[in-house]
Amino acid sequence: NAGVTQTPKFQVLKTGQSMTLQCAQDMNHNSMYWYRQDPGMGLRLIYYSASEGTTDKGEVPNGYNVSRLNKREFSLRLESAAPSQTSVYFCASTRLTGGEDTQYFGPGTRLTVL
Amino acid sequence: SQQGEEDPQALSIQEGENATMNCSYKTSINNLQWYRQNSGRGLVHLILIRSNEREKHSGRLRVTLDTSKKSSSLLITASRAADTASYFCATEETSGSRLTFGEGTQLTVNP
Repeated sequence: NAGVTQTPKFQVLKTGQSMTLQCAQDMNHNSMYWYRQDPGMGLRLIYYSASEGTTDKGEVPNGYNVSRLNKREFSLRLESAAPSQTSVYFCASTRLTGGEDTQYFGPGTRLTVL
Repeated sequence: SQQGEEDPQALSIQEGENATMNCSYKTSINNLQWYRQNSGRGLVHLILIRSNEREKHSGRLRVTLDTSKKSSSLLITASRAADTASYFCATEETSGSRLTFGEGTQLTVNP
């Protein structure tokens, strides 16, 4: 099993450009999440999808959109990138059985917006 | 705002010593989890403690939970240089399926 994979690993954008971060999991998990991590900080939830066909806003959704393409894939889109979106982005997934759900993380995408 | 607050922000110890990290949170929780992050990598789950548990062990890890004080501690015994990493607590609130992460403790174990 590959677990949670993310592409690309690194990306540099100019202000105003758009891009989509891809995430896929092969563990048959129900729920998927997108976080951002800024230097010296913990993770902040951007959007999540509790199950296929549903998406919900997290703590910091502004400037982002998501698509739960199918059970395996959950993408994050920046329509018009801003320097404040320079960060490391992590995708995670969990089975979501209730009570003891732990999250599995991808390796991250390092995004710089100039 | 962050649910969990961790203390200390940074900890430097010698190999063989014990490392203790603390986490405080604000709301009612289903469980509290600890994760580890090596530099430049994703987070890896270490241990989960349910709200009705007070203490849990896994190898060299010991986690305690005090729901009356809304706090938890992670103890790593007999630390090794390979334990050098950032450690994050995360709480699953009773209201839903999300985790809220603290800001982390950067642990450095010197050989």
